[in-house]
Amino acid sequence: SQTIHQWPATLVQPVGSPLSLECTVEGTSNPNLYWYRQAAGRGLQLLFYSVGIGQISSEVPQNLSASRPQDRQFILSSKKLLLSDSGFYLCAWSPSGGYEQFFGPGTRLTVL
Amino acid sequence: AQSVTQPDIHITVSEGASLELRCNYSYGATPYLFWYVQSPGQGLQLLLKYFSGDTLVQGIKGFEAEFKRSQSSFNLRKPSVHWSDAAEYFCAVEQSSASKIIFGSGTRLSIRP
Repeated sequence: SQTIHQWPATLVQPVGSPLSLECTVEGTSNPNLYWYRQAAGRGLQLLFYSVGIGQISSEVPQNLSASRPQDRQFILSSKKLLLSDSGFYLCAWSPSGGYEQFFGPGTRLTVL
Repeated sequence: AQSVTQPDIHITVSEGASLELRCNYSYGATPYLFWYVQSPGQGLQLLLKYFSGDTLVQGIKGFEAEFKRSQSSFNLRKPSVHWSDAAEYFCAVEQSSASKIIFGSGTRLSIRP
């Protein structure tokens, strides 16, 4: 069966520091991968999605970036965090050509 | 463009009572539709999905949803809620020509003892 992992689970970072969040999927090949952000009490905002290695589509211009160095690995990064980057970050995957998405447990990021 | 509307931000129901969460979508053809549930501090879990066929779909945890094309709706129902059903519920629709789905803004469900 397929599983999706995210780490770290929680993170507290100062403003201006770098960020790296990692997501990995097991048990499937060539998945579509997604990064979402959820602000407190808000819905989901799609940040990036990828349909293959090195293929990244950005949905919202911001100081975040994403990379997909391996088929089942998706990384969310920032060079300098802003206070507004605080939130709950969710990674998801879907089968290639499919729409049904499966979510990881999320990372709670607090920028101070 | 596709869109999803969940008109109820917050609903409170008594434990044991029936539940219906509303979802309306905008889509040019028969869409793929989903309901997800999110407990506090956790990721989203797929409750059920509609792709085609029978318009009444059964999901996990005793939930069901009915696709009504004439009303552009995909409402989620449960005959008797349990305290553990307290969570945020999201309706979603596929975004055509892209490997993405569009989420509604969510409905927070509280359970009254």
